[in-house]
Amino acid sequence: QVQLQESGPGLVKPSQTLSLTCTVSGGSISSGGYYWSWIRQHPGKGLEWIGYIYYSGSTYYNPSLKSRVTISVGTSENQFSLKLSSVTAADTAVYYCARGHVVIDYWGQGTLVTVSS
Amino acid sequence: QLVLTQSPSASASLGASVKLTCTLSSGHSSYAIAWHQQQPEKGPRYLMILNSDGSHSKGDGIPDRFSGSSSGAERYLTISSLQSEDEADYYCQTWGTGTVVFGGGTKLTVL
Repeated sequence: QVQLQESGPGLVKPSQTLSLTCTVSGGSISSGGYYWSWIRQHPGKGLEWIGYIYYSGSTYYNPSLKSRVTISVGTSENQFSLKLSSVTAADTAVYYCARGHVVIDYWGQGTLVTVSS
Repeated sequence: QLVLTQSPSASASLGASVKLTCTLSSGHSSYAIAWHQQQPEKGPRYLMILNSDGSHSKGDGIPDRFSGSSSGAERYLTISSLQSEDEADYYCQTWGTGTVVFGGGTKLTVL
């Protein structure tokens, strides 16, 4: 059973960079076969795709966030990361990591990141 | 532009059935979609992938009460024998080249 867990600061100051890590268990990112995604949900709103990565490093980003987003595979074979720069209050959301990009079949439980001074 | 449209809300009685709809934008009626369930205060859970011909494949542990069907640009999720734990938000999701799209979600209330 694949499990994903997000980790990182729950509070980020405006203009700083939000950094989150997703740790995958029950599967290996480096074994290939799947893309790995980041998705967010603003309070009380729907789901917004941020981007995804393949183990080789190939990435695709939401055009609305592309200039501020970097998704990378971690130094550990079972981690991948999200960086979102120049954050504002509008980036306050629950951030989810997930497996897949066509069929997103496993989700993390999500982590709330608040942008506030 | 690839867009998914869902009704904001739906309701049905305990033990009854409900059919939720997700509509693909013009020119995309052949696309497959996925359905996801999000119970209150929880992360989303994958339910199934649903093809344009109505064939579908469910995720691990998804009860038989959940089924999918298709007609033209519409994709349906039917939940039968409604239980209280089915009260949740339901999202459809699809994909294009280098993009992932979510519908706005339908909030299902079990009466």
